[in-house]
Amino acid sequence: RKEVEQDPGPFNVPEGATVAFNCTYSNSASQSFFWYRQDCRKEPKLLMSVYSSGNEDGRFTAQLNRASQYISLLIRDSKLSDSATYLCVVNRARGGGNKLTFGTGTQLKVEL
Amino acid sequence: GAGVSQSPRYKVAKRGQDVALRCDPISGHVSLFWYQQALGQGPEFLTYFQNEAQLDKSGLPSDRFFAERPEGSVSTLKIQRTQQEDSAVYLCASSLRTGAGNTIYFGEGSWLTVV
Repeated sequence: RKEVEQDPGPFNVPEGATVAFNCTYSNSASQSFFWYRQDCRKEPKLLMSVYSSGNEDGRFTAQLNRASQYISLLIRDSKLSDSATYLCVVNRARGGGNKLTFGTGTQLKVEL
Repeated sequence: GAGVSQSPRYKVAKRGQDVALRCDPISGHVSLFWYQQALGQGPEFLTYFQNEAQLDKSGLPSDRFFAERPEGSVSTLKIQRTQQEDSAVYLCASSLRTGAGNTIYFGEGSWLTVV
């Protein structure tokens, strides 16, 4: 079983739709949590950190449930430019280091 | 530019050939990471440096893989006697400090194809 599990998709949605991605992680020692975005043939880029209290950045909302070891990302009013692969990422770093563990990624395609 | 720079961007190697991939992290960044990303997969951790010290090499898939960062800045990932299963994108990343919560910045990757 992979340490971080995601539905690979693809999720094909019309422009303006709301779409939600989920992710589960297996290591309860995980310290911090992120969503990264990766465009085709490009490097991953940090989209947002994820906190237990939930956090929002414009059209994007991320949520963490430590008890269930579950992370979510909600995208409202999706744009064509949101088409990408969304990577769920956890960090087990303790006392130094910053070792990120990535999920396989969920592919999103926003269509006209 | 001020980002993480990797070279070569694209490399085609014959099976059995040795390759060397270079990473120039963001200036002043203490932490440097190498990841391997196979097609359709997320990046997989290979190794981590704090300055010149290689603190974690648990992700290196075999003893054919070797990484160094002798002066605490530029790093080289070397793959000896390449095999077809080594074909992947090799991503280098750096962060200013150690510890969780420090943003990690990735380079565009070195695309290795072994034929």
